[in-house]
Amino acid sequence: GAVVSQHPSWVICKSGTSVKIECRSLDFQATTMFWYRQFPKQSLMLMATSNEGSKATYEQGVEKDKFLINHASLTLSTLTVTSAHPEDSSFYICSANDRGRTEAFFGQGTRLTVV
Amino acid sequence: KQEVTQIPAALSVPEGENLVLNCSFTDSAIYNLQWFRQDPGKGLTSLLLIQSSQREQTSGRLNASLDKSSGRSTLYIAASQPGDSATYLCAAGRAAGNKLTFGGGTRVLVKP
Repeated sequence: GAVVSQHPSWVICKSGTSVKIECRSLDFQATTMFWYRQFPKQSLMLMATSNEGSKATYEQGVEKDKFLINHASLTLSTLTVTSAHPEDSSFYICSANDRGRTEAFFGQGTRLTVV
Repeated sequence: KQEVTQIPAALSVPEGENLVLNCSFTDSAIYNLQWFRQDPGKGLTSLLLIQSSQREQTSGRLNASLDKSSGRSTLYIAASQPGDSATYLCAAGRAAGNKLTFGGGTRVLVKP
């Protein structure tokens, strides 16, 4: 149980375009989801907390206007990287908690390459 | 601000040897401590979760201990196999919201 699905698994886009990444909880409802970023050879860094029905909470240093988060339902959160640049190339991964459980479950991640 | 450190960054052992992976954290006021496995280019697989009130958790060949007072957790993998080769990440959970602060990971290679 507690499956989190992320789509797409990889994407290549041109500099200046926007890319949307979806994170879905398949068999549970998630009022809160988290978005992380992982640069090569580095660990995961929390970018923002996605709250169903309200604005996302961003970590210090993360541009909220660049990384738009929408949590429109209890099973879906989306991260849109706007006006992407090569330095945004990274591995983006989401996590969600099943209500009543403290264990975090992660999606498969999305490898974004901006050329 | 919580900081999580994993040492060593890389480890290579012959098959059959036991693995000991270390994780330390600076703020002992954690909600839980979670160990993950990450294969190259893939997402995270949860291995073990230790609540702040617990001392250890076991699953098969895996055992994780938690010592909040010293700010340490250790993951033991018994009788390592080549399939155990991966990067192992520990993460400290902050409060009930379960935002995680990750360590840098230990890259493990088990040689046949």
